[in-house]
Amino acid sequence: EAGVAQSPRYKIIEKRQSVAFWCNPISGHATLYWYQQILGQGPKLLIQFQNNGVVDDSQLPKDRFSAERLKGVDSTLKIQPAKLEDSAVYLCASHKLEGMNTEAFFGQGTRLTVV
Amino acid sequence: GNSVTQMEGPVTLSEEAFLTINCTYTATGYPSLFWYVQYPGEGLQLLLKATKADDKGSNKGFEATYRKETTSFHLEKGSVQVSDSAVYFCALRDWGGFKTIFGAGTRLFVKA
Repeated sequence: EAGVAQSPRYKIIEKRQSVAFWCNPISGHATLYWYQQILGQGPKLLIQFQNNGVVDDSQLPKDRFSAERLKGVDSTLKIQPAKLEDSAVYLCASHKLEGMNTEAFFGQGTRLTVV
Repeated sequence: GNSVTQMEGPVTLSEEAFLTINCTYTATGYPSLFWYVQYPGEGLQLLLKATKADDKGSNKGFEATYRKETTSFHLEKGSVQVSDSAVYFCALRDWGGFKTIFGAGTRLFVKA
């Protein structure tokens, strides 16, 4: 079974530029998450999708961050304009809709550096 | 709200030493509990999980028991190896919301 795919692996941009990350979850997984992991901290949930609908985006800085999941499969996360404090690893995860007992599966992440 | 608190690191041990990483949680209802591991340059991988009180999760010599009375899920291993050097994250999935909340992580260094 293929895992969660993310691209790019690394990205360096200047502040005020825009950037987009892509995620392809495991086939059949209805729930998809984007997390932000700042160096030395645990992952912080940015947004959760169930199929193509948003379940929770309470922690997403909506003035600069946006995310979509068209057709309930792939997802993109965009930052526009980027700030220095956005430097982090952005993790995508997915899990099956049914079952409290199932764990989330993570991609390798995209490391963003804003200079 | 729901939260997870882990012991601060880094934790430095010699090979074959006993490992304990403390984790406590605050949650309503009956969350599921997880330990994830992150090796250098890699994404998070599930290490073990427990879904109800008194359940013990185990994998690769690691164990953790879901203690509802003390709201804890401490990670233990009897004899660590250099290859266990990584960052360990305690996490919970809240009751009904399918939202996974992580602790800050504990970095483990194992010396040969």
